[in-house]
Amino acid sequence: AQSVSQHNHHVILSEAASLELGCNYSYGGTVNLFWYVQYPGQHLQLLLKYFSGDPLVKGIKGFEAEFIKSKFSFNLRKPSVQWSDTAEYFCAVRNTDKLIFGTGTRLQVFP
Amino acid sequence: DAGVTQSPTHLIKTRGQQVTLRCSPKSGHDTVSWYQQALGQGPQFIFQYYEEEERQRGNFPDRFSGHQFPNYSSELNVNALLLGDSALYLCASSPFVALQTQYFGPGTRLLVL
Repeated sequence: AQSVSQHNHHVILSEAASLELGCNYSYGGTVNLFWYVQYPGQHLQLLLKYFSGDPLVKGIKGFEAEFIKSKFSFNLRKPSVQWSDTAEYFCAVRNTDKLIFGTGTRLQVFP
Repeated sequence: DAGVTQSPTHLIKTRGQQVTLRCSPKSGHDTVSWYQQALGQGPQFIFQYYEEEERQRGNFPDRFSGHQFPNYSSELNVNALLLGDSALYLCASSPFVALQTQYFGPGTRLLVL
């Protein structure tokens, strides 16, 4: 069965530090990949998505992700985090018409 | 333009009871999916409704059932509640022609005592 792994469960950074959150998926065929963010007390929001084309995808709020097919990875990056980026981040892959999510990474950014 | 709305926001039930959760999709969306997010976990797919029919179902028991109405809104019903059903229940909507991008509601937090 298709699955998504997020190996970083909890990440703590200072403001202005660079961020990279890992995401690996199990499916070897054509994939649609997503990163969602859940700010404290808010609903899941789409950060970015990859369907095809340029493997470097830019999303909202300065986030980007790189699809590396040979590594089955779709890591999320941001060059300089802000306190307001404190949230839970979920990687997801589309399987038929449903989403399969990873367990999430909790990011805490301190001023 | 209202996004996905869900009601109630919070709910407390006891074991063995039944619960109904409601979802109104984003304007223009005709497909509704339900997910369960247990504490510390990612959302898990329960089922999806389109044209008032269940299209897909995840690995959840028959105690979980749903319905979609002609106005595309949807209900999730859970019978014979267990302690393990305590979770955040998320509704996501999308147009059927663009199922790959789903918009999520704020969720209903269910606590089973």
